[in-house]
Amino acid sequence: GENVGLHLPTLSVQEGDNSIINCAYSNSASDYFIWYKQESGKGPQFIIDIRSNMDKRQGQRVTVLLNKTVKHLSLQIAATQPGDSAVYFCAEREAGAGSYQLTFGKGTKLSVIP
Amino acid sequence: ETGVTQSPTHLIKTRGQQVTLRCSSQSGHNTVSWYQQALGQGPQFIFQYYREEENGRGNFPPRFSGLQFPNYSSELNVNALELDDSALYLCASSRDPAGTNYEQYFGPGTRLTVT
Repeated sequence: GENVGLHLPTLSVQEGDNSIINCAYSNSASDYFIWYKQESGKGPQFIIDIRSNMDKRQGQRVTVLLNKTVKHLSLQIAATQPGDSAVYFCAEREAGAGSYQLTFGKGTKLSVIP
Repeated sequence: ETGVTQSPTHLIKTRGQQVTLRCSSQSGHNTVSWYQQALGQGPQFIFQYYREEENGRGNFPPRFSGLQFPNYSSELNVNALELDDSALYLCASSRDPAGTNYEQYFGPGTRLTVT
């Protein structure tokens, strides 16, 4: 399968602990942000999104925090499980862009230690 | 699993050849975007198709072209293949190109190797 984790920052977390994955975005005009999870051999899978008029959004076991002042995005995963092991990408969309063009970050590889 | 499918799964081509990759969008989605993902990198936007027309393009040369069909499926064509074109090519579909339905759903990708 695909090894999408080469040369990426790696975060190792004990099973059951909480994980925090960080992302610095570049475009202050971005109005929408998404976190994707990519497992080996698969395409990116949507996890959670947030719009720029919010600073926090919660899903099932996941929370996204947005700090527009410092252009920082984070993904928090509660009670991390072995199935959470994957590469995580943040993506941003520029406001006013006619097409839905996403700009992806470099990714972080999450390894869960059983 | 999303309803986005791509074919073929893997492909090996020789430098200078041409290749066509195919994508079927999720039911109810009219917009298809293509991305190139090099090993160890995040996906890079190639272009988007909406209502059978190109609706935005990233920083890729004209030898990367596409089509969208009336059933919203799409093709990515790459001419004069170069070694650097070796990558995972991802297709993503969404309900709208830019509206309230922002979510893009990705297919599994086509791994292209150029030798």
